Amino acid sequence: KNQVEQSPQSLIILEGKNCTLQCNYTVSPFSNLRWYKQDTGRGPVSLTIMTFSENTKSNGRYTATLDADTKQSSLHITASQLSDSASYICVVRRNNDMRFGAGTRLTVKP
Amino acid sequence: NAGVTQTPKFRILKIGQSMTLQCTQDMNHNYMYWYRQDPGMGLKLIYYSVGAGITDKGEVPNGYNVSRSTTEDFPLRLELAAPSQTSVYFCASSYDPPGEQYFGPGTRLTVT
Repeated sequence: KNQVEQSPQSLIILEGKNCTLQCNYTVSPFSNLRWYKQDTGRGPVSLTIMTFSENTKSNGRYTATLDADTKQSSLHITASQLSDSASYICVVRRNNDMRFGAGTRLTVKP
Repeated sequence: NAGVTQTPKFRILKIGQSMTLQCTQDMNHNYMYWYRQDPGMGLKLIYYSVGAGITDKGEVPNGYNVSRSTTEDFPLRLELAAPSQTSVYFCASSYDPPGEQYFGPGTRLTVT
């Protein structure tokens, strides 16, 4: 209950390729969902926020989707760059409580 | 604007020692948070504060204490360090609860 699970745990792709990261949650009631990017040795930085009524939101080459019925979100990265190598964390808010996923570690290779 | 700053960046403690992790934000945010991040796990909330003089426990408060005497500062105190407290600690702040949290760079703590 009130869990956030992300898949895959880690992913390696070639520069220029696209990829999709998954987030499934059981957090209830749902307030909003954020995707954060965490570079190695740094704190997380917000990429997108989605509320219950939003299906898709883009931030440059990052596009997040949300299906509140099935409690699933995805983060699609287009035309990956070396600087996209990082951990991507899905965070679901329930009232004043936030639940963090363990993250997906993405490595982009030249 | 420095955002959220944390000191120290790294620290090694012996079992039973005490230390304070410092956190300062210059964005005039009311809400501040302390998290720990263990390898392969999501961030877990230790303590949070909704304003100066007000603090409350998060998910994993045991072994830690906090205080909030000013809007800017939110130090985290470890009284009797244990190996289970080996982790990376992040401080964060936000303008309001649903808003974006801004994270500091983290403190990597090892207890041996």
